[in-house]
Amino acid sequence: AQTVTQSQPEMSVQEAETVTLSCTYDTSESDYYLFWYKQPPSRQMILVIRQEAYKQQNATENRFSVNFQKAAKSFSLKISDSQLGDAAMYFCATRIQGAQKLVFGQGTRLTINP
Amino acid sequence: NAGVTQTPKFRVLKTGQSMTLLCAQDMNHEYMYWYRQDPGMGLRLIHYSVGEGTTAKGEVPDGYNVSRLKKQNFLLGLESAAPSQTSVYFCASSYSNSRGYTFGSGTRLTVV
Repeated sequence: AQTVTQSQPEMSVQEAETVTLSCTYDTSESDYYLFWYKQPPSRQMILVIRQEAYKQQNATENRFSVNFQKAAKSFSLKISDSQLGDAAMYFCATRIQGAQKLVFGQGTRLTINP
Repeated sequence: NAGVTQTPKFRVLKTGQSMTLLCAQDMNHEYMYWYRQDPGMGLRLIHYSVGEGTTAKGEVPDGYNVSRLKKQNFLLGLESAAPSQTSVYFCASSYSNSRGYTFGSGTRLTVV
């Protein structure tokens, strides 16, 4: 069975600095996809970034990038130049190729200090 | 393009009452899902559907039923609400099994 673990329930960072959120997962499959979702106080779940496991190159989306370590089963999210609007709950998730559903981690609450 | 629409956004029920949460998507997605979100537990899958007329159980299905009579709609029913079902409920849809989800805005349900 797939599991996703986010070991940091809460994180905080100063505005304009860089922060890294951790995520580890466990799967016996070789073909899968990894995601980071953002949930601001509005409650809306927003897809931040997606990574295919077969790609060695780390995905990037503007200020958001990932460090994907397949052998270590690690998928961390780096937020550069943190902004007040980045304050949210962040969820890591994984989906096996061909599987019907995503499996989510417990979430990390990120606070941005002005 | 509305995406995924959930109704209602808030609801308070008394123990033993029943209700139905409606999810509608206009993206022609095959896959639809119901999750519940509780503090410290992330999102847990209740039921899901891989196409019109099909449903399947997730990891926490007890006390809930679902139906997908039309491709664009996925209904979640609570037949006899219990305080343990107090939660935020999310509907989501997906185009394929390699993509992420598009989420609705959630329903906050309180059972007293």
